[in-house]
Amino acid sequence: DAGITQSPRHKVTETGTPVTLRCHQTENHRYMYWYRQDPGHGLRLIHYSYGVKDTDKGEVSDGYSVSRSKTEDFLLTLESATSSQTSVYFCAISEAPAEAFFGQGTRLTVV
Amino acid sequence: ILNVEQSPQSLHVQEGDSTNFTCSFPSSNFYALHWYRWETAKSPEALFVMTLNGDEKKKGRISATLNTKEGYSYLYIKGSQPEDSATYLCAFIGGAQKLVFGQGTRLTINP
Repeated sequence: DAGITQSPRHKVTETGTPVTLRCHQTENHRYMYWYRQDPGHGLRLIHYSYGVKDTDKGEVSDGYSVSRSKTEDFLLTLESATSSQTSVYFCAISEAPAEAFFGQGTRLTVV
Repeated sequence: ILNVEQSPQSLHVQEGDSTNFTCSFPSSNFYALHWYRWETAKSPEALFVMTLNGDEKKKGRISATLNTKEGYSYLYIKGSQPEDSATYLCAFIGGAQKLVFGQGTRLTINP
């Protein structure tokens, strides 16, 4: 299995609080991605990174920020969580155009 | 916004029947097209990585074709088995190296 781990795996947080999700890889892959999974939408890209300190927005980036200060870590931050951000979040890594490998997912509930 | 569309959204097939579904994607700035299989409560796993127009890939009873000029790919499953039940995702990589997914085709095999 590819060395990619997400933390935490589950989190419940209150509306308006900041939340940070971590994606850690041991594969030294260049590309890292954050997606959210919602019923009827498949996987929607939030942000992605193509190198240390190099990031770009995806299709649903509003309300999210990311940082990548080291090759192995890609952080997703919800500055002020809202109920619409309740979702399952997946991190993925790749050496494009090769296949992507996914983390186990983080289930986030905003109450 | 990159438009990656999959059809149908869901499909019910009798065991032993063959089936196929479609992924359409932008025909410009093509870099790669991926197919993934996603079982409930697991993470997506890659089936095929396709990079050249006319590519045909096969893994057991599953195969895929690629037409980059017209922007579509087909996934075929021959002699469906209950273990083929899953959501099948396609993902497009364009010039910006974003990995953008379609909404998936949910396949259910009826015994």
